[in-house]
Amino acid sequence: GAVVSQHPSRVICKSGTSVKIECRSLDFQATTMFWYRQFPKQSLMLMATSNEGSKATYEQGVEKDKFLINHASLTLSTLTVTSAHPEDSSFYICSANIGDTEAFFGQGTRLTVV
Amino acid sequence: GQNIDQPTEMTATEGAIVQINCTYQTSGFNGLFWYQQHAGEAPTFLSYNVLDGLEEKGRFSSFLSRSKGYSYLLLKELQMKDSASYLCAVKDSNYQLIWGAGTKLIIKP
Repeated sequence: GAVVSQHPSRVICKSGTSVKIECRSLDFQATTMFWYRQFPKQSLMLMATSNEGSKATYEQGVEKDKFLINHASLTLSTLTVTSAHPEDSSFYICSANIGDTEAFFGQGTRLTVV
Repeated sequence: GQNIDQPTEMTATEGAIVQINCTYQTSGFNGLFWYQQHAGEAPTFLSYNVLDGLEEKGRFSSFLSRSKGYSYLLLKELQMKDSASYLCAVKDSNYQLIWGAGTKLIIKP
């Protein structure tokens, strides 16, 4: 089946620094990828929709200048958490769809800001 | 508003059968998905229903009634490895996934 690879799986960074998370579709082209955030014991919260070759669409309440999304190719989308703070610590997950059916998820990135 | 409801937690015995229910109210409907998520991992796809009825896939089955806004995931011959959270998600009229909070399933020996 289709595979989405997300890197890194875990990252610890200092407060004030920036962290980049990569999401790659390995065996298919993804014109659209999705970035989610998940707090402990809670469901997935859609942050933004990443569109290849155009600006990402952010959900209400998500700061686009803080969570920079770049979708430069059909197989790669990146999420950069800028000037990270401890409250940004969370589990970030990307996904990509094939057609209208299932979403394929990356492995997720556990971000800890100290 | 849009809403997906599923029980927070369920407990079942190894070898038994468990049914996890999901009710939804969304603006439009373009399919319902069930995902399994183990702690600290990303969700993995289990099933997809867009028409009414039962979809069977091995030990897992998923049922949909669009008129009732209702679905269930049926797990048979439960194994300890089935202990996980099960997420119900619906694609709305904009083809955006609306997620339930997930049901934590605990399997006891």
